[in-house]
Amino acid sequence: RKEVEQDPGPFNVPEGATVAFNCTYSNSASQSFFWYRQDCRKEPKLLMSVYSSGNEDGRFTAQLNRASQYISLLIRDSKLSDSATYLCVVRYNAGNMLTFGGGTRLMVKP
Amino acid sequence: DGGITQSPKYLFRKEGQNVTLSCEQNLNHDAMYWYRQDPGQGLRLIYYSQIVNDFQKGDIAEGYSVSREKKESFPLTVTSAQKNPTAFYLCASSWGPNSPLHFGNGTRLTVT
Repeated sequence: RKEVEQDPGPFNVPEGATVAFNCTYSNSASQSFFWYRQDCRKEPKLLMSVYSSGNEDGRFTAQLNRASQYISLLIRDSKLSDSATYLCVVRYNAGNMLTFGGGTRLMVKP
Repeated sequence: DGGITQSPKYLFRKEGQNVTLSCEQNLNHDAMYWYRQDPGQGLRLIYYSQIVNDFQKGDIAEGYSVSREKKESFPLTVTSAQKNPTAFYLCASSWGPNSPLHFGNGTRLTVT
């Protein structure tokens, strides 16, 4: 089983739709969680950190469920510019190692 | 503006040659990392360094070497021992253990 798993997609949604991705992690000692966005052939860019109580940034909401060991990303009112691959990142404090999921590809259509 | 600079953006080499990828940051970050990404796949950690003159192997260090003589610089050498060197290489840095990564814009290495 991979340490950090994501549905690769693609998720094809119309503009204005709400879409959600989940990411599961296997190490219960995981301490820090992030969502990154990666455009085709570009570097990943931080979208948002994920806090224990959940957090929102505009149209984006991130949540953490420690009991079930997953994090989620909800995008409301999808825009064409949201089309990208969304990477889930988990950090285990021991050794300061970060583990990336394989990414979920989102395609927003007009 | 502060950031991470990787050079060159594209690099072509013949099989059997060593090649060094540059990574410089002016963010005053202590930790620096090298990742490799293959088409359609996630990032895999090659090496990381939490402090000057110290570095640790990641998950796929075989065939690679690094140095960290200066806080700002973390060059990666892809040696001829690396069996499948063609990939997208990403350098990143962070303040410390719980802070997110900031990435450079990557180097695409093609070895023929």
